Amino acid sequence: DQQVKQNSPSLSVQEGRISILNCDYTNSMFDYFLWYKKYPAEGPTFLISISSIKDKNEDGRFTVFLNKSAKHLSLHIVPSQPGDSAVYFCAARRSGNEKLTFGTGTRLTIIP
Amino acid sequence: EAQVTQNPRYLITVTGKKLTVTCSQNMNHEYMSWYRQDPGLGLRQIYYSMNVEVTDKGDVPEGYKVSRKEKRNFPLILESPSPNQTSLYFCASSKGLAYGYTFGSGTRLTVV
Repeated sequence: DQQVKQNSPSLSVQEGRISILNCDYTNSMFDYFLWYKKYPAEGPTFLISISSIKDKNEDGRFTVFLNKSAKHLSLHIVPSQPGDSAVYFCAARRSGNEKLTFGTGTRLTIIP
Repeated sequence: EAQVTQNPRYLITVTGKKLTVTCSQNMNHEYMSWYRQDPGLGLRQIYYSMNVEVTDKGDVPEGYKVSRKEKRNFPLILESPSPNQTSLYFCASSKGLAYGYTFGSGTRLTVV
């Protein structure tokens, strides 16, 4: 049972435009969400997170939006740069539990 | 440099031959975890450890063992590897989920 879903396996975006990566979850107990970025031959690296008490968190070019009623979150990257080409994983956890449940990932390609 | 170190990076072995993948972190993190990454399935948790001598099963623990005799090390043991354990393995540590996990660079295991 995939509790965290990323329905788009891949996404291509022109350099300078906005990249929007989507993630849906089914477990209403999840209350903390994270995005990770992964380059080939490297481990995932933490990008940005959001608590369920917020609906938006911003860090430079990266913004995460959370819609609790829809059980949906999205990562916006503006403007997109070639170095953003990577696989992006969303992850979720619930209070009192250190375990992260990951989605299947979306491969983002930025076209110069 | 703060990091999680996994060894080996690449390993090809035969069915049934016991192997150990080592993981070490230098950040004094209490929480450590093992994940495997498979195409279309994302990152799935194998085992985790909340502290020394405290370990528990994740989502896919069958065929694996772990130990946590000291804070910095969390080895993954495959007593009798099988071809379905061919995968990319990641070790991670955390000082608290608000900070995200720090991942190792991965171990690509092939069991023939």
